[in-house]
Amino acid sequence: GENVEQHPSTLSVQEGDSAVIKCTYSDSASNYFPWYKQELGKGPQLIIDIRSNVGEKKDQRIAVTLNKTAKHFSLHITETQPEDSAVYFCAANPGYSSASKIIFGSGTRLSIRP
Amino acid sequence: EAQVTQNPRYLITVTGKKLTVTCSQNMNHEYMSWYRQDPGLGLRQIYYSMNVEVTDKGDVPEGYKVSRKEKRNFPLILESPSPNQTSLYFCASSHGTGEETQYFGPGTRLLVL
Repeated sequence: GENVEQHPSTLSVQEGDSAVIKCTYSDSASNYFPWYKQELGKGPQLIIDIRSNVGEKKDQRIAVTLNKTAKHFSLHITETQPEDSAVYFCAANPGYSSASKIIFGSGTRLSIRP
Repeated sequence: EAQVTQNPRYLITVTGKKLTVTCSQNMNHEYMSWYRQDPGLGLRQIYYSMNVEVTDKGDVPEGYKVSRKEKRNFPLILESPSPNQTSLYFCASSHGTGEETQYFGPGTRLLVL
């Protein structure tokens, strides 16, 4: 089955700098890759997603890139701000054979230093 | 307000005492799912439901049951809880399949003694 690995597990960056979180997946049939942000005491919330027919997607300071050949995708946050501090999860949908399942990575705790 | 609600938010129980965690959504979503979150393991899917009376196992279904008798509700049942089920549980819902945005509830923190 699908396996999603996420790195790093913790990340600390200076406010204003960029942060990058990387994920790899194992099932080449996976076709949907969302990223969720979880703030303290809350449930995860979708911040951006990308489908397998697209290589990059941007939304203001957040961007996601997908390399299907290498089976990895990354989250890029530019000009980081204190409110970006949270746990971030990547995920992959295993494709047509299990379209209703979604596999999450283990999470990255991002801390923004003032 | 569109939302997913879970009850209770916090629960302490003892081994073997049956419990139910309720989940309800007001967005008319077909898809609902339960996850557990453990340190270093991320979110792991327990069960999901594509629609009323349609449920299927996720990656860690052992020790759990679910039912989907109404579209809005998807309760998680622990018939005989054990300490290894101590965890943070999230319910989520979305339109259609798992390829859509999932909306998560606030979580239920369960401690089994």
